[in-house]
Amino acid sequence: EVQLLESGGGLVQPGGSLRLSCAASGFTFSNYAMHWVRQAPGKGLEWVSLIGGTDSNRKYPDSVRGRFTISRDNSKSTLYLQMNSLRGDDTALYYCAKSDCGDSGCYVKDHWGQGTLVTVSS
Amino acid sequence: EIVLTQSPGTLSLSPGERATLSCRASQSVRNNYLAWYSQKPGQGPRLLIYGVSNRATGIPDRFSGSGSGTDFTLTISRLEPEDFAVYYCQQYGGSPETFGQGTKVEIK
Repeated sequence: EVQLLESGGGLVQPGGSLRLSCAASGFTFSNYAMHWVRQAPGKGLEWVSLIGGTDSNRKYPDSVRGRFTISRDNSKSTLYLQMNSLRGDDTALYYCAKSDCGDSGCYVKDHWGQGTLVTVSS
Repeated sequence: EIVLTQSPGTLSLSPGERATLSCRASQSVRNNYLAWYSQKPGQGPRLLIYGVSNRATGIPDRFSGSGSGTDFTLTISRLEPEDFAVYYCQQYGGSPETFGQGTKVEIK
């Protein structure tokens, strides 16, 4: 059974940093692209980043490019999101999601975690 | 960026009824790269449909997707109690991938 367990969320001041983790199990982690997707309170879904499994390419939307960095440790089956220069509009529940295929062109997300909450406030 | 507009915002139906959800794109979705997800309170989303009409593993056949270009539809033929949730469409044919704002299917 695929399991994705996010951690690392919390309260951080504007301009601060936070690193999220996602521990994966139940599949061969290195074979699949992985994503971070966020959901602001009471709002819809926003894609935040992608890292390929078979090619390790990284992609970001304009809203986080240059501030967020996605990475992975295949030996630990763990996905990370380093978030710097945080702003109030980064406040959201952050989900880790598994792609249905391996490279950085894989955008269908066939499994999701439960999310970790990031609150940016002074 | 492709904007997805879902309608209606809320659909009030009874178990056993048919649900028809719409997703309209601001420009044509390349290669019909359109997916649907459902989400229940306190849970992560669940993949239902990808490539417009392909059901994900384990998704019952009462769920079906259709459409092309800019207009897409998710149909639930007969609502079961577990189907009451929020539904999101996602396009992944353009960069960046984007999601619609969601349609809530609630019990009437």
